[in-house]
Amino acid sequence: KQEVTQIPAALSVPEGENLVLNCSFTDSAIYNLQWFRQDPGKGLTSLLLIQSSQREQTSGRLNASLDKSSGRSTLYIAASQPGDSATYLCAVVDGGSQGNLIFGKGTKLSVKP
Amino acid sequence: DAGVTQSPTHLIKTRGQQVTLRCSPKSGHDTVSWYQQALGQGPQFIFQYYEEEERQRGNFPDRFSGHQFPNYSSELNVNALLLGDSALYLCASSRDRWNEQYFGPGTRLTVT
Repeated sequence: KQEVTQIPAALSVPEGENLVLNCSFTDSAIYNLQWFRQDPGKGLTSLLLIQSSQREQTSGRLNASLDKSSGRSTLYIAASQPGDSATYLCAVVDGGSQGNLIFGKGTKLSVKP
Repeated sequence: DAGVTQSPTHLIKTRGQQVTLRCSPKSGHDTVSWYQQALGQGPQFIFQYYEEEERQRGNFPDRFSGHQFPNYSSELNVNALLLGDSALYLCASSRDRWNEQYFGPGTRLTVT
């Protein structure tokens, strides 16, 4: 059974710092991996989607990498800003799930001015 | 493009009652999935609809049921509500099951 783990559960950094959020999954047979942002009490905003054949995706100050063989993905945020404060969720679609997302519990990020 | 929309935003129900939540997918999307997110947890998959049929289902009891209409919009019904059903219910749509999923703002259900 696929399990997704995100470490750390919470992170507090000063504004301007570069940071890395980690995601690991137990079964490397994934179809794709998605990173989401969630503001308190709100829905999920898709940040980046990485297909299983890709190594990384970039969008603005965000860069996500995927190492399928080791079951890991990282989300790199450059020059963090207070507006980046939110919970970041990682989710995978594996071959056995038939398309549904399997989520980690998220990393709660706080960027201090 | 309005994106994925959900209604209502908030709902308060009493144990034992029934509730219906609604979702309209993003334009051009034919697949709708429902997720339940308890406080402090990641979303858990409930079920997925495609061509008005339930294509797959997560580990949720039969009290949870759904429907998809010809215009691809969807409903989630929960019968005999329990306190533990209190959660944020999220709807996601995609072009097909394997493509990027886009989420709505969610419906916050409180069961008292």
